[in-house]
Amino acid sequence: QKEVEQDPGPLSVPEGAIVSLNCTYSNSAFQYFMWYRQYSRKGPELLMYTYSSGNKEDGRFTAQVDKSSKYISLFIRDSQPSDSATYLCAMSAGSNYQLIWGAGTKLIIKP
Amino acid sequence: DAMVIQNPRYQVTQFGKPVTLSCSQTLNHNVMYWYQQKSSQAPKLLFHYYDKDFNNEADTPDNFQSRRPNTSFCFLDIRSPGLGDAAMYLCATSRGDQPQHFGDGTRLSIL
Repeated sequence: QKEVEQDPGPLSVPEGAIVSLNCTYSNSAFQYFMWYRQYSRKGPELLMYTYSSGNKEDGRFTAQVDKSSKYISLFIRDSQPSDSATYLCAMSAGSNYQLIWGAGTKLIIKP
Repeated sequence: DAMVIQNPRYQVTQFGKPVTLSCSQTLNHNVMYWYQQKSSQAPKLLFHYYDKDFNNEADTPDNFQSRRPNTSFCFLDIRSPGLGDAAMYLCATSRGDQPQHFGDGTRLSIL
């Protein structure tokens, strides 16, 4: 079993829809949680960074961490075609030098 | 804008011919990382420098070496590239154990 599970998709939704992307993990020691967005032929771009449990909002993006269920989510409101990309979750226990990555979910927003 | 710059964006080399990829940063971050990313996979950490201290991942092939002559620059040397080394190589930086920021990568092809 992988430490971090993420559905690779693709996930295809119409423009304007609310998107929910998720990762589950098995290591209860994880405390730092990140979401990265990666466009084709580009490097990953940090979207959200959270510590421990709770919610964090930044514009149209909300990151949610539920440590009791070992489950993290990224919500995208009012999705746009420019949000089409691969979304990678990453997490770590004591420091961020070695991140444990999900496989990434490919998201397609249809105009 | 402060950023992580990788050169070249595309590199073609011959089987067994040494190749060097470069990374520079204007973020003044003290930690630099090299990742390998193959198609539809998560980035795989090869090694990282904490200041001048080199940290090699246990499963990084001996074929891969790195140099960090100063804070701003880091190089990835592949001594004898094999066909399996064709991938995107990503450089990232961080300030201590804060989240990592990535360059746009170098796509390496092996003929």
